[in-house]
Amino acid sequence: DSGVTQTPKHLITATGQRVTLRCSPRSGDLSVYWYQQSLDQGLQFLIQYYNGEERAKGNILERFSAQQFPDLHSELNLSSLELGDSALYFCASSPTSAVYNEQFFGPGTRLTVL
Amino acid sequence: QQQVKQSPQSLIVQKGGISIINCAYENTAFDYFPWYQQFPGKGPALLIAIRPDVSEKKEGRFTISFNKSAKQFSLHIMDSQPGDSATYFCAASTKDTGRRALTFGSGTRLQVQP
Repeated sequence: DSGVTQTPKHLITATGQRVTLRCSPRSGDLSVYWYQQSLDQGLQFLIQYYNGEERAKGNILERFSAQQFPDLHSELNLSSLELGDSALYFCASSPTSAVYNEQFFGPGTRLTVL
Repeated sequence: QQQVKQSPQSLIVQKGGISIINCAYENTAFDYFPWYQQFPGKGPALLIAIRPDVSEKKEGRFTISFNKSAKQFSLHIMDSQPGDSATYFCAASTKDTGRRALTFGSGTRLQVQP
């Protein structure tokens, strides 16, 4: 158990809908990263937040957005969903004091768009 | 420049044998190279990591070998066990603020036969 929690575990929805994925980082970790894992694209970085502020963006679509709240939990919002958005979505957290860039992953949310 | 290439795509090893997975990178700014282990339905779990100032790091049955000049690194699993059957991902990142997201290889599915 990494200490990172994600809800829900599974999400099934229809095209055009909007969903919100939630992540709680390990206690004390200020950085949260979101990654998407799909069969054709592998594991890809979407976005990073650090202590409530956006720190870096990766291959995140404009239909997707995220935020990190004062209690450090983060939410990833996916809108106007398409079939191709079906994937596993992971968040990872990293301690500020990390000597190396250790990132600890949650169990993921499996999103199925029908 | 951000790509990390991983091989082989799949690997079958007999119990007690050595599993070897290779990765190569292009971006010389990368300075942190972790390996993650992922079981079906689970999030990636940090296995072992190395910085480029050392050529080898060993933790139990797992060893990372690093060749800075060739821009290659590999994971060796000694005395492979059926419980090691999983997908392994190499990754890389930089230490620069705003560029600490992990860039992942495409993964290697390891099967250890009893």
